[in-house]
Amino acid sequence: GAGVSQSPSNKVTEKGKDVELRCDPISGHTALYWYRQRLGQGLEFLIYFQGNSAPDKSGLPSDRFSAERTGESVSTLTIQRTQQEDSAVYLCASSLFRQGRAFFGQGTRLTVV
Amino acid sequence: DQQVKQNSPSLSVQEGRISILNCDYTNSMFDYFLWYKKYPAEGPTFLISISSIKDKNEDGRFTVFLNKSAKHLSLHIVPSQPGDSAVYFCAASVSTGANNLFFGTGTRLTVIP
Repeated sequence: GAGVSQSPSNKVTEKGKDVELRCDPISGHTALYWYRQRLGQGLEFLIYFQGNSAPDKSGLPSDRFSAERTGESVSTLTIQRTQQEDSAVYLCASSLFRQGRAFFGQGTRLTVV
Repeated sequence: DQQVKQNSPSLSVQEGRISILNCDYTNSMFDYFLWYKKYPAEGPTFLISISSIKDKNEDGRFTVFLNKSAKHLSLHIVPSQPGDSAVYFCAASVSTGANNLFFGTGTRLTVIP
């Protein structure tokens, strides 16, 4: 597709379960970002991938969160042992390096019950 | 530590009047600034950007002003329209660095018909 695609669009999971969120960036975009937006909050940076450089993981809130990206393609964000405070919309974005302008997917709404 | 700040969580404006959204940043290395617009249940979409070599950039009804000495930028929308009602995020990056995008917490604009 032409845009950033995220799946699933909605995910309801039980507390303590692991979840995996997927992001397909725009083809050719070397930079990929994960953010989350909790209800009533702003965009919280989680992790940033740029080409083959080591990712910037400084935004990951705990060691239950991890993300991978193979080359310049798909990225997966994994949350282990989910907690209720993990409930949020998880947004992925991609951009050309040093283009600044990032394109966002529609997000995955995660609800932990 | 929030490097990009939007101190007004909400703003209401009459249709046809000017909307002014403000953003402050702390990192003097930021040299590229963007505004994004977000409707509910959608990912943010790019609106307008400005490089630090400029102090103004205009695109139709939208103008972004940058005051580097004050580390402040603003988005002016004139005339405001009901369809402009959304959450507006400002973002900043160091274009010559890792190029990570840092977002503010957003301002919810409501344009009253």
